[in-house]
Amino acid sequence: ETGVTQTPRHLVMGMTNKKSLKCEQHLGHNAMYWYKQSAKKPLELMFVYNFKEQTENNSVPSRFSPECPNSSHLFLHLHTLQPEDSALYLCASSQEGGGGRTQYFGPGTRLLVL
Amino acid sequence: DQQVKQNSPSLSVQEGRISILNCDYTNSMFDYFLWYKKYPAEGPTFLISISSIKDKNEDGRFTVFLNKSAKHLSLHIVPSQPGDSAVYFCAASPVNAGNMLTFGGGTRLMVKP
Repeated sequence: ETGVTQTPRHLVMGMTNKKSLKCEQHLGHNAMYWYKQSAKKPLELMFVYNFKEQTENNSVPSRFSPECPNSSHLFLHLHTLQPEDSALYLCASSQEGGGGRTQYFGPGTRLLVL
Repeated sequence: DQQVKQNSPSLSVQEGRISILNCDYTNSMFDYFLWYKKYPAEGPTFLISISSIKDKNEDGRFTVFLNKSAKHLSLHIVPSQPGDSAVYFCAASPVNAGNMLTFGGGTRLMVKP
């Protein structure tokens, strides 16, 4: 595997379900991110992890819970979501420090909340 | 209030011609700018970037121009190819938080054969 991978690619869940999105980066980067892309809206940054530590939480509701066990893996735990949370969830990674500011994205998970 | 704006939701260009995609920003703290391309059912793919210390950066058919006084950047694709048809996003990050990207809403480019 190369680059940034995400599983599952598609997910349908009810409002009472609990599910997790997984992201893995094979680029040796030290920072990882979760973004949300809703219909007709720009990509919105949700969470930032630098060196496995969460450094930003962009006012995201607590029904979204991130986890970063190591610098290669990132999870987004979902519980009691609302239909308006249906969106494309994208993971990205970058190498912070040394001038690197380019983020590389995975293919995304298309989430539908019923 | 959107700090990064792409005012043209779509652009149609003939194959072989130049495509010019525009992006405006309002935050004077932005000092690094990127363009991404996105195909349906895929994540954004990095294309080209530019630092605020430059006004032009070129990579093959892609050139990004930055006008700091106007807070405007543009992406030129020459010559345009049908495979360039995608949604293009510009993004910017500030000097004090280099990994905090703010994205524009995207421009859908259609290159007609």
